[in-house]
Amino acid sequence: NAGVTQTPKFQVLKTGQSMTLQCAQDMNHEYMSWYRQDPGMGLRLIHYSVGAGITDQGEVPNGYNVSRSTTEDFPLRLLSAAPSQTSVYFCASMGGPISYGYTFGSGTRLTVV
Amino acid sequence: DQQVKQNSPSLSVQEGRISILNCDYTNSMFDYFLWYKKYPAEGPTFLISISSIKDKNEDGRFTVFLNKSAKHLSLHIVPSQPGDSAVYFCAASVDDYKLSFGAGTTVTVRA
Repeated sequence: NAGVTQTPKFQVLKTGQSMTLQCAQDMNHEYMSWYRQDPGMGLRLIHYSVGAGITDQGEVPNGYNVSRSTTEDFPLRLLSAAPSQTSVYFCASMGGPISYGYTFGSGTRLTVV
Repeated sequence: DQQVKQNSPSLSVQEGRISILNCDYTNSMFDYFLWYKKYPAEGPTFLISISSIKDKNEDGRFTVFLNKSAKHLSLHIVPSQPGDSAVYFCAASVDDYKLSFGAGTTVTVRA
């Protein structure tokens, strides 16, 4: 089925380790975003992209890197994991306009110990 | 500082009655507002949106009302059904591709 695919679904990291959360969409959407969801805080924007080769920072970018070499893929890299990065991460894509909203993946639950 | 606020963390409603979810915002430049629904262990799913130039948008059992002067919007679900039990997020956009979300309201529909 068409949509946004996130891998892995669950991950446990040790403090200081690095890893990449994968996100792929097959809808040829231009816009892609990464959010983190924490209790009582809703979803907060980490990084976003308005097209291949173009990325920018969102509300909480520190400790994360992104790249967008193709329209389909938008990986999120944790450079040196910290316990504060324990969260549920969602990737989303949108073909526009905003009135139709973003399509979200099912999320990656990350625990940093 | 959160620009989109959902001040009610939870709402309990009887099946068949109306659910009213509220959302307040502080940024007068927001030009689109959206509601998302989220089940546990799933990603949010888009429900309904409204442009800042309108005051009401309807889609089946879901109606969103916007009061720009009060910087307030609400989502009405009529009639509420057991499948509506979920977390509902209000979101707003100022530039047509970045969304700011509220903290969410958990709705429980009682039989």
